[in-house]
Amino acid sequence: ELKVEQNPLFLSMQEGKNYTIYCNYSTTSDRLYWYRQDPGKSLESLFVLLSNGAVKQEGRLMASLDTKARLSTLHITAAVHDLSATYFCAVDSSDTGTASKLTFGTGTRLQVTL
Amino acid sequence: DGGITQSPKYLFRKEGQNVTLSCEQNLNHDAMYWYRQDPGQGLRLIYYSQIVNDFQKGDIAEGYSVSREKKESFPLTVTSAQKNPTAFYLCASGDRGTDTQYFGPGTRLTVL
Repeated sequence: ELKVEQNPLFLSMQEGKNYTIYCNYSTTSDRLYWYRQDPGKSLESLFVLLSNGAVKQEGRLMASLDTKARLSTLHITAAVHDLSATYFCAVDSSDTGTASKLTFGTGTRLQVTL
Repeated sequence: DGGITQSPKYLFRKEGQNVTLSCEQNLNHDAMYWYRQDPGQGLRLIYYSQIVNDFQKGDIAEGYSVSREKKESFPLTVTSAQKNPTAFYLCASGDRGTDTQYFGPGTRLTVL
């Protein structure tokens, strides 16, 4: 059974600071996704990482994937209040050529304070 | 506008009743999914469908049923057999190119 663990579960950080969220998973996969969820809302796709060593950046967020270590990171640079949300990683355990089947982590609730 | 719609946004159910949650997409995606989210938790897969007239159980299918008669639609029925149905239900559809799943706005179900 695939297990996906995120840490920390809760992160309070000051504006302007840097921090990293970690996503570990238990079985082989080379497809990992990051999503953002605002309170009471749906999920918004942030990054799609489809191979070992993949790195994607959008604004103050950068995601990377190390399939050998079964680890993905979401790095936040110079945090701003608008980044306050819950961030989920999700790992695809499906066979190639079939529809994706995602297992989600429990989420990291990020709170950026002034 | 392309996207995924879910209705209703809020739903209240009495114990013992079946209810059906609607999910429609106009993104021309083959795959569709239903997830459940409990407060402070991640998402858990209920059912998914790769193609019309075909669907598979996810990790927590007991007490739920689905149908996929049209590519655009994937309704979820929460039956009276589901012992703790109060949750936030999210529907998604999948882009075959990147396997990214795109989510609808969700339905919040409360059992009274």
